[in-house]
Amino acid sequence: GQNIDQPTEMTATEGAIVQINCTYQTSGFNGLFWYQQHAGEAPTFLSYNVLDGLEEKGRFSSFLSRSKGYSYLLLKELQMKDSASYLCAVLDSNYQLIWGAGTKLIIKP
Amino acid sequence: TAGITQAPTSQILAAGRSMTLRCTQDMRHNAMYWYRQDLGLGLRLIHYSNTAGTTGKGEVPDGYSVSRANTDDFPLTLASAVPSQTSVYFCASSEGQPGDTQYFGPGTRLTVL
Repeated sequence: GQNIDQPTEMTATEGAIVQINCTYQTSGFNGLFWYQQHAGEAPTFLSYNVLDGLEEKGRFSSFLSRSKGYSYLLLKELQMKDSASYLCAVLDSNYQLIWGAGTKLIIKP
Repeated sequence: TAGITQAPTSQILAAGRSMTLRCTQDMRHNAMYWYRQDLGLGLRLIHYSNTAGTTGKGEVPDGYSVSRANTDDFPLTLASAVPSQTSVYFCASSEGQPGDTQYFGPGTRLTVL
């Protein structure tokens, strides 16, 4: 079967750094997405990795290791508005997105 | 820019009744998708359409049907609703190439009693 694992919930302090991990076992791999979803709202795109390595985009970075079936999203200089759920999704061999259940990130002052 | 709109925002439906959730996009995207999101589970694909006139089944298609008569609209119909279809439904669209970003509508919260 296909499986995406993420921690259910994480807590971090405003101004700090947090790393959200995602491990996956899927039938094929054609890329990995990270989305942000604020409570009661739609998911919005953060990043897309298809090759190994780190992609940096402002305060957010995403890392991929295809050999380990592993990715992480790194958020720096945390702000209160970063309180949200972060969804990891893998594009499988049929080019369909398989989604993790999401990690709820709570930011404390 | 409107992007993707969905209607209604929320709905309470009696079991056994039918309902159509509406989705319209103004980005001229080729591909459109319907997902359901349930607490503790990832988004699950119900149906998709790679281009106008074609549709396909996703992971959880039973009890749902879709049509894609034109590029902009992708309605989702529940023929005879059951309580297990209580969920938040998201419509999304993308340009249609592998790896393209999917853009989501605001969602419809459906409760079936």
